[in-house]
This record gives sequence, structure tokens and C-alpha cells, in this order.
Amino acid sequence: GAVVSQHPSRVICKSGTSVKIECRSLDFQATTMFWYRQFPKQSLMLMATSNEGSKATYEQGVEKDKFLINHASLTLSTLTVTSAHPEDSSFYICSAPTGGRNTIYFGEGSWLTVV
Amino acid sequence: AQKITQTQPGMFVQEKEAVTLDCTYDTSDQSYGLFWYKQPSSGEMIFLIYQGSYDEQNATEGRYSLNFQKARKSANLVISASQLGDSAMYFCAMREGIQGAQKLVFGQGTRLTINP
Repeated sequence: GAVVSQHPSRVICKSGTSVKIECRSLDFQATTMFWYRQFPKQSLMLMATSNEGSKATYEQGVEKDKFLINHASLTLSTLTVTSAHPEDSSFYICSAPTGGRNTIYFGEGSWLTVV
Repeated sequence: AQKITQTQPGMFVQEKEAVTLDCTYDTSDQSYGLFWYKQPSSGEMIFLIYQGSYDEQNATEGRYSLNFQKARKSANLVISASQLGDSAMYFCAMREGIQGAQKLVFGQGTRLTINP
């Protein structure tokens, strides 16, 4: 079964609104989670590292104020796309390491469409 | 800087045949990890196999094996006895360090199509 759960799987929002995506680790604690973005027919690009109890670390070129990340607990990280625009439409997916060096699992991903 | 290269945008294979998906990488680190993921049209990323830079044996997981050639910096995925359900995008990814952060750098991906 899934070890990382992501919700919602699909969301449509209007331009200018904000949308929140949740990433939960199931049956294990994750002090660090990672958020990736994937445009159609492209690869995954790391957006930011979510750290429990501290600020997220953003990759170069990713707007911190637009993509708010909160790691509220050892099992939950949230990505909020603020003031969404159509160009933010994409596939967002999170990952969480389980502690073993060779196990990095991903959530199911979230398809965001901004209209 | 790390870089992962997958040179095959698409591959077409007959069912039951074996297929090799190419992956080369570039890193100055001595310790690193290499991953392969399968991404069906639903979007989920399914972990397939892992190879550590210090692992002496090539990794195997069921029908999946990793042909690790460290000197050539290649980590090709071999799928034996392909099945129709193997049709998907396949991504090679690298993690810097063994004990370091578990963030991944991905290649461009290869779309594998299995023909009946």
C-alpha cells in the first residue's frame, strides 16, 4: 500500500485564488519532505525541501511567496499555491524518505488546473 | 553539479522481450545513489530499483535489474520478459551522498511502449 499520501489528486481553481495540497507520510515520521513540479511531457523538478519545525528551503528560481510550504508535523507537509495563475497549472508531487537510504517514496501527485 | 541523461525519448518493444533503458550520470561525488521510477499515465511515481555507488553487485528486483557501470557512469535499467503493463514513462534519478538529503535529480525520462 501507499506509504506517502497526497491530497487532492485533482483540483481546479480560479485565477487569483489559493489552493492547498497536502502530503502525508503513513506509518512513519518524515522530518523532511520534498516538493516537485512536473510540466506536461517533462521531467520532475525539485521546488523545495520541507523541514519539520523550520523554514522550507527553496530551489533557485522558485518564488517563496507564491509557493508556501508548511511542515506542520512529522507526518504532514502542505504546499499552498497563492494567487494562482494559469501558468501555475501543473502536476505537483511530494516525496518523503522513510529513513532507509534506498527508499524514497512519492505521493500520488496532484494535478492543478488554474482557470 | 549533478546531471542525469536519458537519451531515449521513446522505446517500442514487443511483449515478452527484454528491454534496456539507458541512463548516464555526471557527478563529482564519490557517494551517491541511483534510482529508477516508473510513471504511468496516472502520474504516480513507482519506485523500481536502487543502486548505491559503493554497491559491488548490480541491483535486482524481480524482473528489473540495474546494469551499473561505475567507470562509464551509466546505470541502465533492464526489464526482462516485458509485459503490456510495463508501458509507461521511466525516470532515472540520482541522489547526492549516501547519508545526505534525500532529494533527487531526474533525467528527462523514456516513454516505453510494449506492443502485443
